[in-house]
Amino acid sequence: AQTVTQSQPEMSVQEAETVTLSCTYDTSESDYYLFWYKQPPSRQMILVIRQEAYKQQNATENRFSVNFQKAAKSFSLKISDSQLGDAAMYFCAYLTSGTYKYIFGTGTRLKVLA
Amino acid sequence: DGGITQSPKYLFRKEGQNVTLSCEQNLNHDAMYWYRQDPGQGLRLIYYSQIVNDFQKGDIAEGYSVSREKKESFPLTVTSAQKNPTAFYLCASSPMRLAGSYNEQFFGPGTRLTVL
Repeated sequence: AQTVTQSQPEMSVQEAETVTLSCTYDTSESDYYLFWYKQPPSRQMILVIRQEAYKQQNATENRFSVNFQKAAKSFSLKISDSQLGDAAMYFCAYLTSGTYKYIFGTGTRLKVLA
Repeated sequence: DGGITQSPKYLFRKEGQNVTLSCEQNLNHDAMYWYRQDPGQGLRLIYYSQIVNDFQKGDIAEGYSVSREKKESFPLTVTSAQKNPTAFYLCASSPMRLAGSYNEQFFGPGTRLTVL
């Protein structure tokens, strides 16, 4: 069975600095998708970024980028120029292609210090 | 606007009573999901449905039941058999699996259930 591990329960970053959140996963599949979701204090889950496993190029969305290492089964999220609004829980998620069951990590709480 | 609605935002029930949480989507998505969120445990899948009149158990289905009579609706009933029902419940939906599609999930705002 697939698993997703986020080993950092909590992280802190100074405003305007860069922070990297870690995510590792375990799967025997070759075709899958990976996601990072943000859950702010409102608790509304918002998609931050997504990556298809067959794409070698790392996904980027403005200040958010990923470091996707398929062989190492690692999918870290880098937030550049951190802003106070980035403070939230961040969840890493996995989906095997062709299926409907998503697997979520336990989350990392990010604090942004002014 | 297209989206997912969950009602109510806060729900209180007495121990031993069944309670139904509502989830409606107008995104024309085929699949719908229910997750339970507890502190430190992330999102745990309760049930999911790929098509109308069909659904599958997730990882923590005991004490819960669902129905999928309409594509737009996927209500969750928390029964008295659920030993620790106080939690935050999230409903989500996703489109049909298509080659090249992003397959992301869209989430509702959640319902906080407290059993007294």
